[in-house]
Amino acid sequence: EVQLVESGGALVQPGGSLRLSCAASGFALSNHWMHWIRQGPGKGLVWVSRINNDGSSTTYADSVKGRFTISRDNAKNTLYLQMDSLRAEDTAVYYCARVISGYNDYWGQGTLVTVSS
Amino acid sequence: EVVMTQSPATLSVSPGERATLSCRASQSVSSNLAWYQQKPGQAPRLLIYGASTRATGIPARFSGSGSGTEFTLTISSLQSEDFAVYYCHQYNNWPPLTFGGGTKVEIK
Repeated sequence: EVQLVESGGALVQPGGSLRLSCAASGFALSNHWMHWIRQGPGKGLVWVSRINNDGSSTTYADSVKGRFTISRDNAKNTLYLQMDSLRAEDTAVYYCARVISGYNDYWGQGTLVTVSS
Repeated sequence: EVVMTQSPATLSVSPGERATLSCRASQSVSSNLAWYQQKPGQAPRLLIYGASTRATGIPARFSGSGSGTEFTLTISSLQSEDFAVYYCHQYNNWPPLTFGGGTKVEIK
């Protein structure tokens, strides 16, 4: 059974940093691109970042470019999102999602990041 | 950036009735369009990809149609478990990947 489990969400002050993890099981992470997607309180879905199979290529939404870094450890079957210089508008539930031909077939349950003083 | 516009924002439907949800893209996305269902407190679930192909395990009452800029998700006979928010998602022109604002299907 395919499972994605996010962790690392927390309450953090503006300007702070946080590292999210996404543990994959039931499939080989190395076979798939992956996305991070976020959802602000009561809001819709917003794509944040993507990474290719071996981590050699990454892409970011303009709103997080230069502040967030996506990475992966295929040996540990784990995806990461390093978030620096956090802002109040980064407050959201963050989902990792597996990519198949561009769309997302499996999503984790999400981890909540709250940026507030 | 491809802007995805969903309508209506809220759809009130009685159980057993048909629901028709619309999604419009600001430019052609070919058939690279997916639909997701999200219930409160849960992650989105893939319903449709390639504009019209049902994902594994999705009941036949869900169907998708369209190509280019106009897309439709139809739920032929609403069941109690279908009341949720539905999002369309284009994966043709990126970055960025973009989602519609969602349609909430509520009980009439």
